Amino acid sequence: DTGVSQNPRHKITKRGQNVTFRCDPISEHNRLYWYRQTLGQGPEFLTYFQNEAQLEKSRLLSDRFSAERPKGSFSTLEIQRTEQGDSAMYLCASSLAPSSGYTFGSGTRLTVV
Amino acid sequence: AQTVTQSQPEMSVQEAETVTLSCTYDTSESDYYLFWYKQPPSRQMILVIRQEAYKQQNATENRFSVNFQKAAKSFSLKISDSQLGDAAMYFCALTQEGGADGLTFGKGTHLIIQP
Repeated sequence: DTGVSQNPRHKITKRGQNVTFRCDPISEHNRLYWYRQTLGQGPEFLTYFQNEAQLEKSRLLSDRFSAERPKGSFSTLEIQRTEQGDSAMYLCASSLAPSSGYTFGSGTRLTVV
Repeated sequence: AQTVTQSQPEMSVQEAETVTLSCTYDTSESDYYLFWYKQPPSRQMILVIRQEAYKQQNATENRFSVNFQKAAKSFSLKISDSQLGDAAMYFCALTQEGGADGLTFGKGTHLIIQP
């Protein structure tokens, strides 16, 4: 098992552009989460998938953000019309159940210039 | 809403000594799980230790142990025989039994190991 994989590792984009990140969870994990982490802070929950269903979204997730998990495997997080405030590390985590803990990917660092 | 508070932004310890990182939390749920995660400069979160709220016995993992005080809503992490590789940000986190809201994290404690 190669763990949770995220691509790209780094992304620099101009304000107003759209960006898409990908997360490949551990294959047998049916739960997938996206988090955002800014410098000096703990990660903040963005959204949760159980299999292909998006079951929970944080109010932090504005309508410029959309996430998908087709077929319950990999997931994508898209940010439209990026703003400088979107600059952060975007983390993906997967899990079998809360009791078993969550495995995190290395994250995608987004810089909006 | 649930909250996690880490009141120590930074801690420093001599190599081979013992250090305790503090964490308090608040939740209205009776079934929940608590975690300590380590985030080295490479930025990948690594699970250090987990505790089920229904278990009275404190969890231990080699040099890492917790002091779980459910009534006080306190969940501290003790690192024994500190090693240089323990240097990292440490985050305390909480999730409910259902897990739909994912983990709620504290702001973290930066642990420095002095050689």
